Amino acid sequence: GIQVEQSPPDLILQEGANSTLRCNFSDSVNNLQWFHQNPWGQLINLFYIPSGTKQNGRLSATTVATERYSLLYISSSQTTDSGVYFCAVGDGSSNTGKLIFGQGTTLQVKP
Amino acid sequence: DTGVSQNPRHKITKRGQNVTFRCDPISEHNRLYWYRQTLGQGPEFLTYFQNEAQLEKSRLLSDRFSAERPKGSFSTLEIQRTEQGDSAMYLCASSLLGPYEQYFGPGTRLTVT
Repeated sequence: GIQVEQSPPDLILQEGANSTLRCNFSDSVNNLQWFHQNPWGQLINLFYIPSGTKQNGRLSATTVATERYSLLYISSSQTTDSGVYFCAVGDGSSNTGKLIFGQGTTLQVKP
Repeated sequence: DTGVSQNPRHKITKRGQNVTFRCDPISEHNRLYWYRQTLGQGPEFLTYFQNEAQLEKSRLLSDRFSAERPKGSFSTLEIQRTEQGDSAMYLCASSLLGPYEQYFGPGTRLTVT
């Protein structure tokens, strides 16, 4: 099955710094979503981005499907950005829609 | 639209007991998914429904697990004869038909003692 790898696994930043999180996937995808998991465990939708570039405030994401990777950019980080970020993909050879998740990147933003 | 809701939010049970969780998807979403997340890992797919039909089950879903979605609305996930290894966060998501954006509920955290 399709493999999803996220890097780095852990990231520590000072408030105000910028960061880039990466998601590599092993095969074609028909869905790609970025999530932020809050301390209570809920997955918050950040981007639905199977291809192209999107921006939402201080966050932006780019997916290059032909090269099988996606990037999540966080600019001017804030302490509230801390948490686990997940990339999840849908297998392009299937129409079930089920998501395969990476292992996540744990971000800590220090004041 | 109130989003995906799940109940209960927390469940503590003794090994061997049966538990049932409920998920209410976003109205008009045809697809409903169940995932399980253990500590330090990403969520893993368990099963999904398209309307009332259960179309795929993961090998993670042992015979002790059963899921239903009567009338294509809410869904229940039952675990019989719980084991300590069942302790996890159980997440429900819904989407429109197709590989579209999924929206997740707050999850049910199960602890088996």
